[in-house]
Amino acid sequence: ETGVTQTPRHLVMGMTNKKSLKCEQHLGHNAMYWYKQSAKKPLELMFVYNFKEQTENNSVPSRFSPECPNSSHLFLHLHTLQPEDSALYLCASSLSRGGPPLEQYFGPGTRLTVT
Amino acid sequence: GQQLNQSPQSMFIQEGEDVSMNCTSSSIFNTWLWYKQDPGEGPVLLIALYKAGELTSNGRLTAQFGITRKDSFLNISASIPSDVGIYFCAGPINYQLIWGAGTKLIIKP
Repeated sequence: ETGVTQTPRHLVMGMTNKKSLKCEQHLGHNAMYWYKQSAKKPLELMFVYNFKEQTENNSVPSRFSPECPNSSHLFLHLHTLQPEDSALYLCASSLSRGGPPLEQYFGPGTRLTVT
Repeated sequence: GQQLNQSPQSMFIQEGEDVSMNCTSSSIFNTWLWYKQDPGEGPVLLIALYKAGELTSNGRLTAQFGITRKDSFLNISASIPSDVGIYFCAGPINYQLIWGAGTKLIIKP
């Protein structure tokens, strides 16, 4: 595998379900990100991890819970979601040198539908 | 909060036409990034701009800072069918990237 991979690619879940999204990067990067993408809107940054430590949480509801066990893997645990949480969830990674993130590399995303 | 405004929101073009789109901000950026997203995929970095005044190219794509550095332009010459997609601009603020809402490029049949 190369680049950034995400599984599953599609997910349909009920509001009472618990599921997890997985992201893996094979680029040797040290920073990873979760974004939410809704149609015709800018990408919304959800969480940032640098060297496995969470450095940003952009006021994301607690029904989204990230986990970063190492620099290559990132999870997004989902529980009791709402229909408005339906979107494309993108994972990205970058090489952090202590400054602002510049070139980020994205996975293909997980298309989530909450019924 | 800070926003990047992209225009146009969508473009219908004929194959072979040149394309121009832009991205504006209320504040100065020292770095501009242009990404493209194909259907069913994540965004892919096309061009990174680090130096105002320089034209940066990637094949048929060129990008540059605007004069005020509060904007950036992306041009595509002699468009081909695989150019369709959504083009996003992004810039760093406070150790994060903020994004425009995208310009959707559509090839007229």
